[in-house]
Parts: sequence; structure tokens; C-alpha cells
Amino acid sequence: SQQGEEDPQALSIQEGENATMNCSYKTSINNLQWYRQNSGRGLVHLILIRSNEREKHSGRLRVTLDTSKKSSSLLITASRAADTASYFCATDAATSGSRLTFGEGTQLTVNP
Amino acid sequence: GAGVSQSPSNKVTEKGKDVELRCDPISGHTALYWYRQSLGQGLEFLIYFQGNSAPDKSGLPSDRFSAERTGGSVSTLTIQRTQQEDSAVYLCASSMDRGSSYEQYFGPGTRLTVT
Repeated sequence: SQQGEEDPQALSIQEGENATMNCSYKTSINNLQWYRQNSGRGLVHLILIRSNEREKHSGRLRVTLDTSKKSSSLLITASRAADTASYFCATDAATSGSRLTFGEGTQLTVNP
Repeated sequence: GAGVSQSPSNKVTEKGKDVELRCDPISGHTALYWYRQSLGQGLEFLIYFQGNSAPDKSGLPSDRFSAERTGGSVSTLTIQRTQQEDSAVYLCASSMDRGSSYEQYFGPGTRLTVT
């Protein structure tokens, strides 16, 4: 079963708007990572947040982590059409070594 | 430097045939992972190699699936007697080390279609 669950499953917005995607997980984690996937092929790492961190920024990306609620959010500000992709959260659970457990993803569509 | 490469990029095979999928990790990366992704789904962990340690095979769905990593570098995922439910994109990833702070770098995947 999947550790992470993304919400929403699909999101459609206009260019310039912000996009927020959420991820919930079930077990204790070492870290949580967000990945982006275009056209169902290779994934690209976006950002990693450790379990002792609460917020992290990278360019137009902002990730938060609430370990008490076992949830994370990814915010993309000032979205662009090129941000259209699937976004996955992945957890590195404390008891599973370094294997990542992925959610089923949020499909983001940014309309020009 | 070069990223993770996988071959072939696409593979169509008949049910019952064996297939081999190859992964070349980034040079110097000691950890290597195999995942598969069915259409519209997230990634499912299959197997993990770290250095000379015994691999974590806990994600392999059946004994038809096996993988090896030769010389701590190239890995081959073998699926014997393929079934239609094996159709998926098989993704390989590598990272610098086993540790919670290392991101995984993914290859472009092999799209396997079993007819």
C-alpha cells in the first residue's frame, strides 16, 4: 500500500496563480521529498525536507512539513504553463532504510 | 556528468517470454533502486542495492522477478515468463549513499508492454 497520499488528485489553474498540493503519510519518517514527472517518464527531484525541519524554500517552491499531522504541502508560486506535470511526494520511512515510498501523485495543469 | 541511463526505452514482448532491463547508475553512486509505475499510478518499490550489502528484495511482486548488480555499478532487472499485468514503466534510480538525506536521481525508464 502507498505510504503517501496526495491531495488533490488533479488541479487545474491559470498561469500566475499559486498551486498547493498536499501529502499525507502514515509512519514516522526520516525525510520527505517531492518529485516532478513529465509525460509519465523519469522523475526529477525538487526538494527534500528533513523530519526536524518545518519549512523549506527553493525558488518558487515552498514545502512545509507537519510531523504531528503526518502531512506536507508543496506550494508553487506564480505558476507557469511549464509547471504542468505530475507531482509526487515520497517518504523515507524511519524503518525502511532508504527506499522511498511514493504517493499516487497530483496532476497539475497550468493553463496559459 | 551523465545521468542515470536505462535501456531499452521501450520493450514489447509476448506473454510468457523473459525480458531483461538494464540500468546504468551515475558514476560513484553506491545505492541503486528499481521501481515500477503502472499507468496513472505512483511508483512501486521493487528492489534496492547498497554497496556490497545484500539487496532489499522486499518489493519484488513474485519470484518471476529478479535483479542483480554487477561490480557495484550496472544493474539488470529480469522478468521471467512475463504476464500482461507486468506491463508498466520500470524506473531505476541511484543515489550517493544509503542515508536519509540523499536525493535519488531517476533514469528515463523502460516502458514494458506485454501482449
